[in-house]
Amino acid sequence: GEDVEQSLFLSVREGDSSVINCTYTDSSSTYLYWYKQEPGAGLQLLTYIFSNMDMKQDQRLTVLLNKKDKHLSLRIADTQTGDSAIYFCAESIWSTLTFGKGTMLLVSP
Amino acid sequence: KAGVTQTPRYLIKTRGQQVTLSCSPISGHRSVSWYQQTPGQGLQFLFEYFSETQRNKGNFPGRFSGRQFSNSRSEMNVSTLELGDSALYLCASKGTGSSYEQYFGPGTRLTVT
Repeated sequence: GEDVEQSLFLSVREGDSSVINCTYTDSSSTYLYWYKQEPGAGLQLLTYIFSNMDMKQDQRLTVLLNKKDKHLSLRIADTQTGDSAIYFCAESIWSTLTFGKGTMLLVSP
Repeated sequence: KAGVTQTPRYLIKTRGQQVTLSCSPISGHRSVSWYQQTPGQGLQFLFEYFSETQRNKGNFPGRFSGRQFSNSRSEMNVSTLELGDSALYLCASKGTGSSYEQYFGPGTRLTVT
């Protein structure tokens, strides 16, 4: 079956790097996504990676994918207080997304 | 380009009533998916529509239904509302072809009393 797991909470200081981890179970996933959700808002697409890639960098964001271990991570460089939010990883098979429960990132000044 | 819009943003209904939520995808996008978000269950897939046809369906009772119009706008309907239907309902819009980017709207917050 499909299951996506994330740690629930991460606290960092402003300026540090944040690393949010995720594991998934379905080896037929085609794309893996990271979304950000701020209070009272919808989901903001941050980045995504194709399942045959190992890494993708997009400005302050770096996504690493270990397909053998079904492990995905999102690194945010120079984390800012505005990055405080809940981060969801999701795997997709065709167009259906299966989400983790989300990681709450708290950035303190 | 305008993003995904959902109406209404907030809704309060009573048990037993029915409700219709609306989603307008990004211009040119033909795929619309619906998700339910609750604190207990997280984000769960409801269904996906593409070119007015339901392409995929999640594990929800038949009280949850949807449709898509020729302009790609989509509606979802929940009949005989239960307290447990209280949730944030999100729709996602996806382009065609090689685009795998799915963009979400702000959601409709449904409260059932």
